Amino acid sequence: AQSVTQLGSHVSVSEGALVLLRCNYSSSVPPYLFWYVQYPNQGLQLLLKYTTGATLVKGINGFEAEFKKSETSFHLTKPSAHMSDAAEYFCAVSFYQGGSEKLVFGKGTKLTVNP
Amino acid sequence: KAGVTQTPRYLIKTRGQQVTLSCSPISGHRSVSWYQQTPGQGLQFLFEYFSETQRNKGNFPGRFSGRQFSNSRSEMNVSTLELGDSALYLCASRTGTGAGELFFGEGSRLTVL
Repeated sequence: AQSVTQLGSHVSVSEGALVLLRCNYSSSVPPYLFWYVQYPNQGLQLLLKYTTGATLVKGINGFEAEFKKSETSFHLTKPSAHMSDAAEYFCAVSFYQGGSEKLVFGKGTKLTVNP
Repeated sequence: KAGVTQTPRYLIKTRGQQVTLSCSPISGHRSVSWYQQTPGQGLQFLFEYFSETQRNKGNFPGRFSGRQFSNSRSEMNVSTLELGDSALYLCASRTGTGAGELFFGEGSRLTVL
């Protein structure tokens, strides 16, 4: 069965430091991969997505992620953290089953940015 | 273009009552999905509707039901509420074809006392 594992339910970084949020997936078919962000008391917002083509994907707010098929990973990075990046981040994998698309989310990683 | 609208944003109910939540998708989107979000379980998929038909369903008891109208608006209903139903209920819409991203509403926060 397809699944998503996010390593670390909480990650804390200093402002200006590198942000690295880890995501590994299992999928028996080529996946589509997504990162979403959720700010307090809000819904989820798409940061970036990988469908086909270039494996390094750039998203909003300076985030990017690299699809590594051999490692079944799709880690999210940002070179320099900003206070406004504090939020919860969700990795998701999309796949087709039974003729329709299903989306599986990881359990989320809460990012804290310290001044 | 208006986003996904969920109503009500907050509500308080007591055990045994029922609740109906509403979701208006982005114009042109035919697929509406519902998720339950709790601190312990994270995001759990409830069901997806596409063109008024339930297309996918998660592992929730029959107390949780939904429907979609011809204008793509959707409602979900929870009957005989339990304390454990307290959660943020998120609605998301997408075009419904291809690997489209989900567009989420801000959610309806349900508290069951």
